[in-house]
Order: sequence, then structure tokens, then C-alpha cells
Amino acid sequence: EAEVAQSPRYKITEKSQAVAFWCDPISGHATLYWYRQILGQGPELLVQFQDESVVDDSQLPKDRFSAERLKGVDSTLKIQPAELGDSAMYLCASSLLAGYRNEQFFGPGTRLTVL
Amino acid sequence: AQKVTQAQTEISVVEKEDVTLDCVYETRDTTYYLFWYKQPPSGELVFLIRRNSFDEQNEISGRYSWNFQKSTSSFNFTITASQVVDSAVYFCALSEVLTGGGNKLTFGTGTQLKVEL
Repeated sequence: EAEVAQSPRYKITEKSQAVAFWCDPISGHATLYWYRQILGQGPELLVQFQDESVVDDSQLPKDRFSAERLKGVDSTLKIQPAELGDSAMYLCASSLLAGYRNEQFFGPGTRLTVL
Repeated sequence: AQKVTQAQTEISVVEKEDVTLDCVYETRDTTYYLFWYKQPPSGELVFLIRRNSFDEQNEISGRYSWNFQKSTSSFNFTITASQVVDSAVYFCALSEVLTGGGNKLTFGTGTQLKVEL
């Protein structure tokens, strides 16, 4: 069964360091999402891609976060510099088609701890 | 802004009991989609069901059933004869169209279900 792949699964870093997360969506899925999930809460959207283009990044803290999907397949989310409040689960999701009616399939996430 | 409320933070049941997880939503859209996801301890969100706002028929899938009531803005989820493997956090979500043409899921805060022997 096709799955969304993410790495690393766990990342511990010190504040002010740079971190990067990688996501490989289900093959053929043109739409890719990055969500952040703080412990005890539901995921919140950070950025959405359609192929290689950013569709929405209104909730992405652009002073320290960046995301790219250069060839329209896999994607990287970067934080520089990391802050204590960035400790969370970072989830990647993909869907076959764009649009609000389509279910999103999630990867296992990267759990980030900032010390 | 859209909002999803899952008032039950944690529910504990004994195996084989039936359990209902509540979900109430707020939206000004006339057309919308609702979802339920399961998040086991491994962390991955598993898609369970999608329902559009025009289809109020209840749905059953094995031990799972969903009750959508537009009049009360609720989309409740029932597990019949619960099993230990059902232990997880369950999220209700509402799909929203964004101003720039994108879309996102607005999630509730989740309900932690614990099924014990």
C-alpha cells in the first residue's frame, strides 16, 4: 500500500540550530501539505503545494521557516533558527487532487524537540 | 472562521463496550466536507471517513458508524464492541477553502480513547 514517507522520525536539537525535515508523498499525488501538531492539539496547516508551487503559506512563520518542493515531488521543510516553541510533531500529507473534498493521507511525522 | 469542537478530551471503556465520540462544527459555508482521522501512538493520522454536507445518510463500516446531523452541526462517531486496538486519539476535521485558492483541514483537539481489557 502506498504511503507518505517522512524522515527523520525524531529530531532533537538545541535552540538557534537549523533543522530540516523531508517528505516524499504518495506517487502521483500533486498536492502536498505540511502541518504542525503541538502536543494535545490537532494539526494546523503550515504550507500547501500544488506540484512545485506554493498555494498557501499564510500560516508559515516566514522569518524562520521555509519550505520547498523543487521538482514537484518530494519536499523539505526547514527551520532556522529553531526556538523552544517549535517543539512539536511535523506532519506531511498528500492528496491526489487539489480541492477541499479530497482526503489527505498523512505520513508518520517528525517529532522535533528543541532544547 | 471555521471551528471544530471535540468536547471529550479522554474516554475510557472496557473492551466490548460501545463508545460514541462527539464532534460539533461551525462553518458559514453551505458546501463543506467533514472527516474523521485516527492517530495511534505511532503518530500517523489514518483516514477513516469523508462526508459531504449534502449527504445526511448515516454510514456504517464494520464496527464503525457515523451520524451526521446538519441541523445540530454534529458528526458523531460510534465504535461498536470496542477492542484494545481501537485505543488511539480520534480527530474530527472540517475542510476549508482558503482565500488564495488552497484548502486545509481544520481539526478539533481530538479525543483520546482508551480501551481496556
